[in-house]
Amino acid sequence: KAGVTQTPRYLIKTRGQQVTLSCSPISGHRSVSWYQQTPGQGLQFLFEYFSETQRNKGNFPGRFSGRQFSNSRSEMNVSTLELGDSALYLCASSFGLTQGDEQFFGPGTRLTVL
Amino acid sequence: QKEVEQDPGPLSVPEGAIVSLNCTYSNSAFQYFMWYRQYSRKGPELLMYTYSSGNKEDGRFTAQVDKSSKYISLFIRDSQPSDSATYLCAMGRGTNAGKSTFGDGTTLTVKP
Repeated sequence: KAGVTQTPRYLIKTRGQQVTLSCSPISGHRSVSWYQQTPGQGLQFLFEYFSETQRNKGNFPGRFSGRQFSNSRSEMNVSTLELGDSALYLCASSFGLTQGDEQFFGPGTRLTVL
Repeated sequence: QKEVEQDPGPLSVPEGAIVSLNCTYSNSAFQYFMWYRQYSRKGPELLMYTYSSGNKEDGRFTAQVDKSSKYISLFIRDSQPSDSATYLCAMGRGTNAGKSTFGDGTTLTVKP
């Protein structure tokens, strides 16, 4: 069974630009969660989507947004990029139906903001 | 104070050693516990998943959860150079399925 895929794998942007990242979950998974990973802050939860609805949200500013499509694929958008947004952005998918079902991560998109 | 604290490391051991990785947590609402392994420039890979106190074994890996002490551990027996990676503990609450809280990770190096 194919794993979680993320595109693109690498991105370089400049301050003030916006960026859209994509995540395709494992077939049959309806939950997609997004995380930001940086050396200083570790892995931090951004938000989770389930059946096209945002179900959980972390403590990130409104510049970070997302959506989920009917096929469970998800996109994350960051507007007005700042230097501090440079990070590895990871998505994880799960069935999302039972308490605490296992999350499987994609390889991540490494975003560099210059 | 962070909800999840992980022994920072880094940790360097000889091949064949037993490795102990540890996390403590403050939120008693956490119900399920996971360990992930992350190689450089890769996404985290789920190693162990458990939701009850006690031990869970999978090959050379044993996950231990003590809910009364709010303490979890991962033991690696007969460690191999291929085990060299960053290990992340993660926890979640049933009411927030899809949202996990992670420790900062412990980087392990197993020397041949």
